[in-house]
Amino acid sequence: AQTVTQSQPEMSVQEAETVTLSCTYDTSESNYYLFWYKQPPSRQMILVIRQEAYKQQNATENRFSVNFQKAAKSFSLKISDSQLGDTAMYFCAFMKREMNRDDKIIFGKGTRLHILP
Amino acid sequence: DAGVIQSPRHEVTEMGQEVTLRCKPISGHDYLFWYRQTMMRGLELLIYFNNNVPIDDSGMPEDRFSAKMPNASFSTLKIQPSEPRDSAVYFCASSFGLASSTDTQYFGPGTRLTVL
Repeated sequence: AQTVTQSQPEMSVQEAETVTLSCTYDTSESNYYLFWYKQPPSRQMILVIRQEAYKQQNATENRFSVNFQKAAKSFSLKISDSQLGDTAMYFCAFMKREMNRDDKIIFGKGTRLHILP
Repeated sequence: DAGVIQSPRHEVTEMGQEVTLRCKPISGHDYLFWYRQTMMRGLELLIYFNNNVPIDDSGMPEDRFSAKMPNASFSTLKIQPSEPRDSAVYFCASSFGLASSTDTQYFGPGTRLTVL
């Protein structure tokens, strides 16, 4: 069974600093997707970035980038030039690329990120 | 604790039928959330409850969807009538609160719904 672990329950950084959120996972699959979701106080889940495991190049979306280390099963999220609006809960998630009826997305427990003015 | 419990784990039904998804939150959690996950839209919040009272149902897609929480240990999400575009994985989650560092949401295993 797949597992996703986020070892940092809570983090705080000053505005404009760079912060890295860690995520490790365990799977025997070779083809899968990894995601970072942001959940602001509204509780809506916002997809921040997605990585396909067969792609070696790390995904980037503006100020958000990942460090994907497939052999180490590590998928950290880096937020550059952090902004107050980045304050939220961040979930790391795993999903097999070929889904059968028993498969679904697996979430980590989340990291609460505070951006301080 | 067994965590958040959802049933059924899989549901296959025909268009037009009523579907009821069930959730038992973690004991002591005051908040309960229903999410829908699809490949196209990712994870969407449908509705959440605080102390059994619906707080925000703005994510409920249309009148065919309804959710109830008759007591602190049980919630249902009902679709009537169901349509093929409702096919998705539906997650239930619960948490103690919303604001503090202990307010991690715990997700259930999800219910995979297929509407034919």
